[in-house]
Amino acid sequence: RKEVEQDPGPFNVPEGATVAFNCTYSNSASQSFFWYRQDCRKEPKLLMSVYSSGNEDGRFTAQLNRASQYISLLIRDSKLSDSATYLCVVKFQGAQKLVFGQGTRLTINP
Amino acid sequence: DTAVSQTPKYLVTQMGNDKSIKCEQNLGHDTMYWYKQDSKKFLKIMFSYNNKELIINETVPNRFSPKSPDKAHLNLHINSLELGDSAVYFCASSQWISGSGETQYFGPGTRLLVL
Repeated sequence: RKEVEQDPGPFNVPEGATVAFNCTYSNSASQSFFWYRQDCRKEPKLLMSVYSSGNEDGRFTAQLNRASQYISLLIRDSKLSDSATYLCVVKFQGAQKLVFGQGTRLTINP
Repeated sequence: DTAVSQTPKYLVTQMGNDKSIKCEQNLGHDTMYWYKQDSKKFLKIMFSYNNKELIINETVPNRFSPKSPDKAHLNLHINSLELGDSAVYFCASSQWISGSGETQYFGPGTRLLVL
């Protein structure tokens, strides 16, 4: 089983729709959680950290469920510019490295 | 102002050659990384240095040798290149900040194609 698993997609949704991604992780001792965004042929960039109580940043909402070992990302009122690959990232307790999921590819259609 | 820069951006070379990729960060971070992103888009860590000291060395062939002359630079040398080395190599840097956690900043990537 992969340490961090995501549905690779692709997800194709119309502009203005709400879309949600899930990500599962295998190590229950995981410490920190993030969503990164990677545009085509570009480097990954931090979108948001994911906190235990859930957190929101504008149209983006991240949730963490430690009992079920998954994190989610919800994008409301999607824009064309949201088209990208979204990477689920986990830092395991005691480890100094980040573990990246395969990424979920999202395309917003006009 | 580029925070994390890599050179070259593109590298096309023949099997068996030796090549180097350079990385520099001007963020003042203590920790730098090399990642490999293969054709399936998995991003996997290869090495990490903290203040010029190697702290992470994943299962990477010893043809790959990182070098950190100072904490702002982390270079990657690859000997005897193989077809399977074709990938995008990303450099990154990070700094732990109390209360904020740690964010990794990535360079633009080096696209390596081995023929």
